[in-house]
Amino acid sequence: QVQLVQSGSELRKPGASVKVSCKASGYSFTAFAINWVRQAPGQGLEWMGWINTNTGNPTYAQGFSGRFVFSLDTSVSTGYLQISSLKAEDTAVYYCARDRVTNFDYWGQGSLVSVSS
Amino acid sequence: QTVVTQEPSLTVSPGETVTLTCSSNTGAVTSNYYPSWFQQKPGQAPRPLIYTTSNKHSWTPARFSGSLLGGKAALTLSGVQPEDEAEYYCLLYYGGAQVFGGGTKLTVL
Repeated sequence: QVQLVQSGSELRKPGASVKVSCKASGYSFTAFAINWVRQAPGQGLEWMGWINTNTGNPTYAQGFSGRFVFSLDTSVSTGYLQISSLKAEDTAVYYCARDRVTNFDYWGQGSLVSVSS
Repeated sequence: QTVVTQEPSLTVSPGETVTLTCSSNTGAVTSNYYPSWFQQKPGQAPRPLIYTTSNKHSWTPARFSGSLLGGKAALTLSGVQPEDEAEYYCLLYYGGAQVFGGGTKLTVL
């Protein structure tokens, strides 16, 4: 069965960095893109961008370039989201979701990143 | 800046029919925006319901349907059940970028 399993909760201090993983199983990893979605506490969903699992080419939504980096390790069917220079406002649950032709059909369980001094 | 708008909240009684809508500040929503819909309950990941306007996933209950209505994307729940109480989000495609609506909190009383 298709699964996207994300890494666990992380607590970081402001200025630090964090890397969230999203391990896919049950399908051909390169047949679907990986998207990243942010949800701040008590807020709605925010599309951060996506990465082409064939080429490794990332596309970032407005406001998510620079400190946010999407990457892949296709040998282990895993996508990564790295956030650097963390700020308090980066505190959120981060989701990965696979998609093909705008169909976000399977999501990870979410990874909580907390930024606090 | 692209803004996708949904009703902030709706209240419905069990068994009733309710329609949630999703509009874009760029103009009428068409099938070219590939509207999709997600249900999210507290503490859970979003659950996909509808993609490409009206297509259901294998797990989508029959009472949920998607359409285009008056220049908006629409999600209709026919015969609402208590377990449908949740936040609902639409997602629109803008040629390479995607934007979520702000969500509709559906209360079933």
